[in-house]
Amino acid sequence: DAKTTQPNSMESNEEEPVHLPCNHSTISGTDYIHWYRQLPSQGPEYVIHGLTSNVNNRMASLAIAEDRKSSTLILHRATLRDAAVYYCILRTGVRAGGTSYGKLTFGQGTILTVHP
Amino acid sequence: NAGVTQTPKFRILKIGQSMTLQCTQDMNHNYMYWYRQDPGMGLKLIYYSVGAGITDKGEVPNGYNVSRSTTEDFPLRLELAAPSQTSVYFCASSLQGAETQYFGPGTRLLVL
Repeated sequence: DAKTTQPNSMESNEEEPVHLPCNHSTISGTDYIHWYRQLPSQGPEYVIHGLTSNVNNRMASLAIAEDRKSSTLILHRATLRDAAVYYCILRTGVRAGGTSYGKLTFGQGTILTVHP
Repeated sequence: NAGVTQTPKFRILKIGQSMTLQCTQDMNHNYMYWYRQDPGMGLKLIYYSVGAGITDKGEVPNGYNVSRSTTEDFPLRLELAAPSQTSVYFCASSLQGAETQYFGPGTRLLVL
């Protein structure tokens, strides 16, 4: 599986933008870049994903480098509720018996601390 | 919709005991997954299922068994609990394999 590299931790102040980087230099042409986050004592939740173009949704924006070897998750105005572990994941579609099960491979992620 | 629900929330087992972790989803998703998360680490895939009656191994299947008799339920069975199975277990589901995965709240298991 192609691997991702993220900083262990980052800090931000409330209501400021946060840019969470991710390196994925061995990404293949068909890998989607997914971001999930895990709030304390909860299961992971989906944030955003993209393939080549930048993406926006109500939670965040995803900026993907032109060579696709890196990407950045952007939280436009951090809140205390955004304090979590953020995982950058390359979506590997593995065929098992002719069916893709879309394995998610989680690394250690980035611990985001938001200060009031 | 309740989404993905898991029971119990917390359990203490003695070495050699067995138990079943329950997982149910009400979104009519075809795919279901079991992950474990050790302290300070990311999640690792134990087993997955692409539909009722079909299951397959993930990265760390040893010591676990699963079954999928209905679309809604995907129980995880520990036959002979070992201290190495102390972890937090998450169940997830997705409509298809390439779709977003929705996670349950987790079951914290302590094996002493």
